[in-house]
Amino acid sequence: GAGVSQSPRYKVAKRGQDVALRCDPISGHVSLFWYQQALGQGPEFLTYFQNEAQLDKSGLPSDRFFAERPEGSVSTLKIQRTQQEDSAVYLCASSRNTGELFFGEGSRLTVL
Amino acid sequence: AQRVTQPEKLLSVFKGAPVELKCNYSYSGSPELFWYVQYSRQRLQLLLRHISRESIKGFTADLNKGETSFHLKKPFAQEEDSAMYYCALTSSGGSYIPTFGRGTSLIVHP
Repeated sequence: GAGVSQSPRYKVAKRGQDVALRCDPISGHVSLFWYQQALGQGPEFLTYFQNEAQLDKSGLPSDRFFAERPEGSVSTLKIQRTQQEDSAVYLCASSRNTGELFFGEGSRLTVL
Repeated sequence: AQRVTQPEKLLSVFKGAPVELKCNYSYSGSPELFWYVQYSRQRLQLLLRHISRESIKGFTADLNKGETSFHLKKPFAQEEDSAMYYCALTSSGGSYIPTFGRGTSLIVHP
């Protein structure tokens, strides 16, 4: 079947705008992760879901960041009042809890 | 806390030369180590994991708990190996959240 799908692939936002990034994981994958990847850096953990439960959100950099996965499938990462430092690629990955992550292509956010 | 260190940002070699991409980790428990690869204009994907002890595309990696390392090696690099390589660590028990290194860009020249 299809892999992990993320949208939009590219988003340009003015500082102060709210943005929503969507992730559609592989069907049947119970675990879903969000990572933030700044230019020249590795993926940095943001938050983790098992089904609809958000088990860890320790990586969210501020209370402007919010993630949900209400039905245990599609997830949305929302960033309120975007700042320039939020500019990054946001990666979503899903897993069957075997250790291997399956990544989407990422959503590149640019905040002007 | 778990940490992964990839000391080289860039590794440049000629085709046919041996390659070693370094990865060191710190973790107090029992680790599980992975190498992920991202080819140009493709998504990040698993290359290999230490528990499977496989050779993938000619690459191998051995977990050295004494030196807390998981270096990726290939005896003869090919141009198609040019990519970003990320080392990642999770715990082998309990809740796991993979931690990634900053990545090493491998360029293989013809």
